Amino acid sequence: SQKIEQNSEALNIQEGKTATLTCNYTNYSPAYLQWYRQDPGRGPVFLLLIRENEKEKRKERLKVTFDTTLKQSLFHITASQPADSATYLCALEESISGSARQLTFGSGTQLTVLP
Amino acid sequence: ETGVTQTPRHLVMGMTNKKSLKCEQHLGHNAMYWYKQSAKKPLELMFVYSLEERVENNSVPSRFSPECPNSSHLFLHLHTLQPEDSALYLCASSHTGTVTYEQYFGPGTRLTVT
Repeated sequence: SQKIEQNSEALNIQEGKTATLTCNYTNYSPAYLQWYRQDPGRGPVFLLLIRENEKEKRKERLKVTFDTTLKQSLFHITASQPADSATYLCALEESISGSARQLTFGSGTQLTVLP
Repeated sequence: ETGVTQTPRHLVMGMTNKKSLKCEQHLGHNAMYWYKQSAKKPLELMFVYSLEERVENNSVPSRFSPECPNSSHLFLHLHTLQPEDSALYLCASSHTGTVTYEQYFGPGTRLTVT
């Protein structure tokens, strides 16, 4: 099964700067990679999905890249705001049986945007 | 609101008790999942139901027993738990098919085993 590493447990940045979070995996490259946001005491919320044949995906201030050679995904938040403070989770998809799929999650990076 | 509800939100139980967690999704999805989230550890997939059939249980101890009576409801029956089972239990749902879909999570049940 996949081993997923997300950079440093905690990341602090100044408001207005770009936050860059890293997700590295060790085994085969998945067909899809997803990013989620989790606030304390709540369930994760889906943000973006990127396919293996896509180099980059954008949604408003969010950008995700996917490099299957490096086995790495980068997640960027531009013009960061204190409201972006949360834990961000990387998840890789694996097919387990027939049409059923499972996600393997990283342990997350806790982002704090300082005003 | 994500369209996935979980009850109860908090549960304290003794090691000899029996309790059940409930999850309901209002999104028309056909796959449902139970995850365990312990402090400082990644989300651990416990059970997957796809089209109401259990597909994967990831070697979860038998003191956890899932039930999926229909595509909208999922239960996790708990009995003779251990203190290390204290964690946030999350339910999720998604479409299922030949492509991958995002998962929608409920707010979780915070379980404390005393």
